[in-house]
Amino acid sequence: KAGVTQTPRYLIKTRGQQVTLSCSPISGHRSVSWYQQTPGQGLQFLFEYFSETQRNKGNFPGRFSGRQFSNSRSEMNVSTLELGDSALYLCASSRTATGYEQYFGPGTRLTVT
Amino acid sequence: QQQVKQSPQSLIVQKGGIPIINCAYENTAFDYFPWYQQFPGKGPALLIAIRPDVSEKKEGRFTISFNKSAKQFSLHIMDSQPGDSATYFCAASSEDTDKLIFGTGTRLQVFP
Repeated sequence: KAGVTQTPRYLIKTRGQQVTLSCSPISGHRSVSWYQQTPGQGLQFLFEYFSETQRNKGNFPGRFSGRQFSNSRSEMNVSTLELGDSALYLCASSRTATGYEQYFGPGTRLTVT
Repeated sequence: QQQVKQSPQSLIVQKGGIPIINCAYENTAFDYFPWYQQFPGKGPALLIAIRPDVSEKKEGRFTISFNKSAKQFSLHIMDSQPGDSATYFCAASSEDTDKLIFGTGTRLQVFP
């Protein structure tokens, strides 16, 4: 069974631009969660989607948004990029809408210059 | 109360040693405690997880010990190998939250 896939793997953007990251969950998984990983803050929860509904959101500004499609694929969008948004963005999928048994993708490395 | 505290920050052992990584939590509602292994340039991989109804769980060379009264859990890696060199994260979750609360990570180096 294929794992979680994320595209693109690397992105370089300029301050003020916006970016869209994509995540395809493991087949049969209906929950997709997004995390931001930085050396200073570690792994922080962004938001979680289940059956196209955002069920939970972390403590991030409104510039961070996401959505989930009917096939469970998910996208996250960051608008008006700031230097501090440079991070590894990780997507995780699970069968149920809980924190249990989340499987991560390889991440998208975003660099903001 | 949502924090998970992890120690040590880094750990160096020789091949065959038994590194131990510790985590502590406050929220007694947490009922799922996974460990993740992350290699450079990769996403975290689910290694092993435990529920509070058991005190120990083994999968291969990896063992979780869980102390519910102390609100602590730890990862032991038996017969450690250089290939185990990675960053390890503990985490916690509960049924009423759909997110994982992560510890700060432990960078493990196993020397031949």
